[in-house]
Amino acid sequence: EVQLVESGGDLVQPGGSLRLSCAASGFTYSDYEMNWVRQAPGKGLEWISYINAVTTAYYADSVKGRFTVSRDNAKNSLYLHMDSLRVEDTALYYCARDPPGPGGHFDYWGRGTLVTVSS
Amino acid sequence: DMQMTQSPSSLSASVGDRVTITCRASQGIGNYLAWYQQKPGKVPKVLIYDAFTLQSGVPSRFSGSGSGTDFTLTISSLQPEDVATYYCQKYDTVPRTFGQGTKVEIK
Repeated sequence: EVQLVESGGDLVQPGGSLRLSCAASGFTYSDYEMNWVRQAPGKGLEWISYINAVTTAYYADSVKGRFTVSRDNAKNSLYLHMDSLRVEDTALYYCARDPPGPGGHFDYWGRGTLVTVSS
Repeated sequence: DMQMTQSPSSLSASVGDRVTITCRASQGIGNYLAWYQQKPGKVPKVLIYDAFTLQSGVPSRFSGSGSGTDFTLTISSLQPEDVATYYCQKYDTVPRTFGQGTKVEIK
């Protein structure tokens, strides 16, 4: 069974840093492209980052230069390092998997980890 | 920047009604469009991908159509368990932008 489990969410002050993790299981993680998606309280979904199997990464303009996605295929893990956090980064952060083969929709999602940026 | 515009932003319909949600891309995206359902307090779930392909396990009352810039999600006969917010998403290129969502309620 495919599972994605996020962790690392916390309360952090504006300007602070945080690293989120996503532990993957139930599939050959190294073969799959992965994403981070966030959802602010009461708001819609926002795609924020993508990383392919070879570590090529892309970011939404809202986080470019502040967030860094990485992966450790030996540990079946995806990471999101977040710097210079802002109040507007407060959200539930999901990791989501691309399907096998061509296609860029998200076929599996984790349950999310909550990041709160507040003084 | 590329925009995905859904309409309506919310709707209320009766059980058994046919419901249609539209999604318009500001530039052509071919068939690279997915629809997701997010029930209150739950994780989003893909319903349709590649504009019209039904994800395994999704009831056949859900269908998708369109290509290029204009897309539609149709629920042929609305059921109480379909109360949710529905999002379209493009994935032809990055950014993989979502629409703003359509909240569906039962009248």
